[in-house]
Amino acid sequence: EIVLTQSPGTLSLSPGERATLSCRASQSVTNNYLTWYQQKPGQAPRLLMYGASSRATGIPDRFSGSGSGTDFTLTISRLEPEDFAVYYCQQYGSSRGTFGQGTRLEIK
Amino acid sequence: EVQLVQSGAEVKKAGESLKISCKGSGYSFTTHWIGWVRQMPGKGLEWMGIIYPGDSDTRYSPSFQGQVTISADKSISTAYLQWSSLKASDTALYYCARDYRLDYWGQGTQVTVSS
Repeated sequence: EIVLTQSPGTLSLSPGERATLSCRASQSVTNNYLTWYQQKPGQAPRLLMYGASSRATGIPDRFSGSGSGTDFTLTISRLEPEDFAVYYCQQYGSSRGTFGQGTRLEIK
Repeated sequence: EVQLVQSGAEVKKAGESLKISCKGSGYSFTTHWIGWVRQMPGKGLEWMGIIYPGDSDTRYSPSFQGQVTISADKSISTAYLQWSSLKASDTALYYCARDYRLDYWGQGTQVTVSS
């Protein structure tokens, strides 16, 4: 089973700043099949990125994803108030997916 | 519009059985996987398993293999997650979502199990 480790656990930033979230896999993710999700309190997760770097429908272009193999990054170029939430990565390159433990993005 | 609509909240006692559902609409149900995700109170997301309704091919996370059963009835575009004997530790919010990339999500089903 592929283990995903996200860092940092909590990120404290101000609106307008740039956020960089990391997701590291215990082994190479096949075809870079990695997704990122945003979850706000009381809501279901929302898909942001798939295939490591493709934005899902309706996702603003301030969100971008990069990386390959075992190291992946989600970048939010300029934080808006609505971006403060918990972010998860997930790999779906094996026949069984796994999630990272999440990064909480909080307002500084 | 793609929609996944899950069954309502459940309150059960330990040892009881339970089956929750997830009905898909707005797309071809038989040609897309349906996955299940657990979220325990205040915790992160856990990938439980996934089913292809077209042929019922099912894969489980090692953590959930033997603990739950995933099934689907393609005639009514509905996937299921079931337990034969609930434990208090099964208390959680359960989501269904479409495909391995989990692009569309249900609203979640809260399952509460008392001991």
